[in-house]
Amino acid sequence: DAGITQSPRHKVTETGTPVTLRCHQTENHRYMYWYRQDPGHGLRLIHYSYGVKDTDKGEVSDGYSVSRSKTEDFLLTLESATSSQTSVYFCAISKDKADTEAFFGQGTRLTVV
Amino acid sequence: GENVEQHPSTLSVQEGDSAVIKCTYSDSASNYFPWYKQELGKRPQLIIDIRSNVGEKKDQRIAVTLNKTAKHFSLHITETQPEDSAVYFCAASYSMADKLIFGTGTRLQVFP
Repeated sequence: DAGITQSPRHKVTETGTPVTLRCHQTENHRYMYWYRQDPGHGLRLIHYSYGVKDTDKGEVSDGYSVSRSKTEDFLLTLESATSSQTSVYFCAISKDKADTEAFFGQGTRLTVV
Repeated sequence: GENVEQHPSTLSVQEGDSAVIKCTYSDSASNYFPWYKQELGKRPQLIIDIRSNVGEKKDQRIAVTLNKTAKHFSLHITETQPEDSAVYFCAASYSMADKLIFGTGTRLQVFP
């Protein structure tokens, strides 16, 4: 398996609190992505990064921000968590461009109560 | 931007039968079409991919076909086995894009 680790694996938080999810890779891959997975919606892209400090919005970016200060770390922050952000979050990495194999982390199950 | 539609959302087959999952994409510039398999509680993993300069690709019991004119591509699984039971996702991208867009997934159940 590609060296990609998400933390935490599970989290329960209260509405209105800030939450940060971390994705760490040891592959030195350039591209990193955050997806959320919900029943009936598949994998929807939240934000992605194509290099250090180079990030952009995906399909469902409202309420989320990201940062990538180092090649190996991509952080996803929910500034003020809402119940609609209850989901399973997957980080993915790819070596060169989006037209190469993406490797996924184990996922983070986030519950906002 | 790219939009990928996937059908059916659920598919049940008898062991040994074939299964077909279909996807359509909107951006004619897309030229990379991977398929991912996600077993229950696990991460998605690539099982096969195809590029637009190829019409069909096979890997043992799995094959993918691409129709660029119609902008659709399909996953074919022959001689299905219970371990093929999973959620399958199609996706689309192109070489100058920075993102991979997924379909909504197909839950395949193979009954013994």
